[in-house]
Amino acid sequence: GPKVLQIPSHQIIDMGQMVTLNCDPVSNHLYFYWYKQILGQQMEFLVNFYNGKVMEKSKLFKDQFSVERPDGSYFTLKIQPTALEDSAVYFCASSNRGQGNTLYFGEGSRLIVV
Amino acid sequence: GMPVEQNPPALSLYEGADSGLRCNFSTTMKSVQWFQQNHRGRLITLFYLAQGTKENGRLKSTFNSKERYSTLHIKDAQLEDSGTYFCAAEAPNTDKVVFGTGTRLQVSP
Repeated sequence: GPKVLQIPSHQIIDMGQMVTLNCDPVSNHLYFYWYKQILGQQMEFLVNFYNGKVMEKSKLFKDQFSVERPDGSYFTLKIQPTALEDSAVYFCASSNRGQGNTLYFGEGSRLIVV
Repeated sequence: GMPVEQNPPALSLYEGADSGLRCNFSTTMKSVQWFQQNHRGRLITLFYLAQGTKENGRLKSTFNSKERYSTLHIKDAQLEDSGTYFCAAEAPNTDKVVFGTGTRLQVSP
């Protein structure tokens, strides 16, 4: 089936540093999402993105977070600066509303902030 | 309250048993998806429904938007069905897809 790729699969970073999580969505998809999952807990919606813009974001999407997809390349989530509570697995998803809003998820990027 | 409530939070089954999971919604949702998250954390899409019922092998899911619920039924449970099951629903007038709290399923021999 359609695949969403996420890079890196895991990263350890010092608190206060910047991190960029990359997502290669399904090729004809136009809607992109980031979710955050702390170990063993719920998938929390962070943000969705369409046509170069953030459509909606949650309270978890702090000012230190930003997303972009320059020129159809990776859809990225940048955190600058990172905080300890940012440690989680971040999942990217993409969808094509022409086929119903079925979300296809990547395998997640595990971020550990120390 | 939570827009998507999922129950039970945990479920233990023996191999061969049947059981069901349920999501209740605080409002009318446009669609629902069901996922299994395996022990590696990977999300596997099971179903997408805008209405009605779908079946795939031992799994069956129903979505009733008007009555504000969706169910996932597992028949003849197998060890590999163990994992956490999430429903995720899309509310009207939004591009957000909100997840339920999950049901942790353990299937034992």
